[in-house]
Amino acid sequence: DGGITQSPKYLFRKEGQNVTLSCEQNLNHDAMYWYRQDPGQGLRLIYYSQIVNDFQKGDIAEGYSVSREKKESFPLTVTSAQKNPTAFYLCASSRETGTPYEQYFGPGTRLTVT
Amino acid sequence: GENVEQHPSTLSVQEGDSAVIKCTYSDSASNYFPWYKQELGKGPQLIIDIRSNVGEKKDQRIAVTLNKTAKHFSLHITETQPEDSAVYFCAASMGSSSFGNEKLTFGTGTRLTIIP
Repeated sequence: DGGITQSPKYLFRKEGQNVTLSCEQNLNHDAMYWYRQDPGQGLRLIYYSQIVNDFQKGDIAEGYSVSREKKESFPLTVTSAQKNPTAFYLCASSRETGTPYEQYFGPGTRLTVT
Repeated sequence: GENVEQHPSTLSVQEGDSAVIKCTYSDSASNYFPWYKQELGKGPQLIIDIRSNVGEKKDQRIAVTLNKTAKHFSLHITETQPEDSAVYFCAASMGSSSFGNEKLTFGTGTRLTIIP
């Protein structure tokens, strides 16, 4: 089955620790995205990548970092600099860039920082 | 940048009745408008989308209408069923060939509850 996997589903960390969220896709999609979702709010774009070894900041990139070393993988690191890291994080991918193709979403990772 | 507003934030509808969710966008350059359905604890799933060269699109019980002049688009669900209960998000994108213009800007979501 093709799709996007995110792991783990739930993640707990202590304040001050960096944490990395995994996102893998086997859809052969070029573009990948990370969104943050808070209760009662829409999805806000953190980072996106259109090709391997290149990525761009989204609307709320502060306190986050990403890498895109492989086409299939786009891990997100939530650093200790992120003031309010507790949220539901969604990874997505799409077929091509520069054209509005459907974004497919993974199941999400719920991060709780205490 | 683009701003998308979505209303209402919550909507309760009797089973079998119709539901309508409305969104407005700010950037007239936007030309792609998808609607996503998100069930509890899951990622959003595309249910229908429309591009700016058409005014309406239907897929069984779901339809989307677009008014480019007024910069608003709406989701219509007819003959609602309990499994339609979920959070629905609208989004807008410029989707041009320029780098980064395929980014989606999402509305804040509508929690739809179908009352049996």
